[in-house]
Amino acid sequence: DGGITQSPKYLFRKEGQNVTLSCEQNLNHDAMYWYRQDPGQGLRLIYYSQIVNDFQKGDIAEGYSVSREKKESFPLTVTSAQKNPTAFYLCASSPLIGAYSYEQYFGPGTRLTVT
Amino acid sequence: EDQVTQSPEALRLQEGESSSLNCSYTVSGLRGLFWYRQDPGKGPEFLFTLYSAGEEKEKERLKATLTKKESFLHITAPKPEDSATYLCAAPSGQAGTALIFGKGTTLSVSS
Repeated sequence: DGGITQSPKYLFRKEGQNVTLSCEQNLNHDAMYWYRQDPGQGLRLIYYSQIVNDFQKGDIAEGYSVSREKKESFPLTVTSAQKNPTAFYLCASSPLIGAYSYEQYFGPGTRLTVT
Repeated sequence: EDQVTQSPEALRLQEGESSSLNCSYTVSGLRGLFWYRQDPGKGPEFLFTLYSAGEEKEKERLKATLTKKESFLHITAPKPEDSATYLCAAPSGQAGTALIFGKGTTLSVSS
């Protein structure tokens, strides 16, 4: 069954701790993305990767880090430098064909609460 | 600056009462306009992609249309199960194939 998995669904951390959110896809997509969603806000891009071992910062990359060692995996680390880490985090993937964008498929999300 | 704006923010309809959601965009060199549905606490679910002005796509009670400046999501005779937040997105000119999302329209359909 093809799709994107994110784990865990809910995550609780103390302030000052780093935390890593998992994202795996078996759709054979080249591109992967991390978005953050806050109440009343649209999805905002944190990082994206179009090829293994390469990734680019999005609009709100400060306080976050990523890696892309395998095509299927794109983990996101929320560091203690992120000032407002409590949010709903969404991972997505899409095919990458020429200059046109293709639909992104999203995982179920991870709700992170930092106290 | 690339921007996607959706209106209204919230829409309440009676079952069977048709209406439209609007998505206006200012993106240079549009390379796709995407509609998603998002239920509370879940990831967005892909609905439609539109690539050129005049294009239309349909799925059950939903029809998406595209002009040079905006897109509409028409909902015909909605049912309570159509209640969700509908998101519109377009590729950013500055971030490869990453998408810029509007804030969404939250639709509530009552029986």
